[in-house]
Amino acid sequence: GENVEQHPSTLSVQEGDSAVIKCTYSDSASNYFPWYKQELGKGPQLIIDIRSNVGEKKDQRIAVTLNKTAKHFSLHITETQPEDSAVYFCAARSTGGGNKLTFGTGTQLKVEL
Amino acid sequence: KAGVTQTPRYLIKTRGQQVTLSCSPISGHRSVSWYQQTPGQGLQFLFEYFSETQRNKGNFPGRFSGRQFSNSRSEMNVSTLELGDSALYLCARVDREGVREQYFGPGTRLTVT
Repeated sequence: GENVEQHPSTLSVQEGDSAVIKCTYSDSASNYFPWYKQELGKGPQLIIDIRSNVGEKKDQRIAVTLNKTAKHFSLHITETQPEDSAVYFCAARSTGGGNKLTFGTGTQLKVEL
Repeated sequence: KAGVTQTPRYLIKTRGQQVTLSCSPISGHRSVSWYQQTPGQGLQFLFEYFSETQRNKGNFPGRFSGRQFSNSRSEMNVSTLELGDSALYLCARVDREGVREQYFGPGTRLTVT
């Protein structure tokens, strides 16, 4: 089955700096890659996603890149703010797995003032 | 907005008991997925339902079961609870069109003592 690895597990940045979180996947049949933000006591919130036929997608301060050949994708957050502090999860969905998402282990992002 | 209601939000049960959790997606969304989130195993897929039919199932023992009703509300049941079943149980509605994005509810926090 699909396996998704995520790094780093913790990330601390200064306010205004950029943050990058990286994920790799194992199933070449995966074609959809969402990113979720989870704040304490809440469910994961979809923040951006990318399909396998696209190399990059941006939404204001957030961007995701995908390298299908290397089977890795990354989340980029620019101009970080304290409210960006949360746990971020990457996920992958395979064409043969229905709507099942396989998640990475999460990255605890802390934006310091 | 997630558009998913989960009840109850918190639950405490004793080992050996059974529990039923409920998930209600906003009107018109006939597809839901369930996930278990624990500190040790992360986010793991339980099962998904579409139009009252289970379409996919994760690697969980038969003690975990679910169903979906004609109004799209879904329930999951765990019988003979074990301490290791303590987790946040998340339900997501799946968009009908496009990339089939998943939007999570706030979850039900189950504690087994």
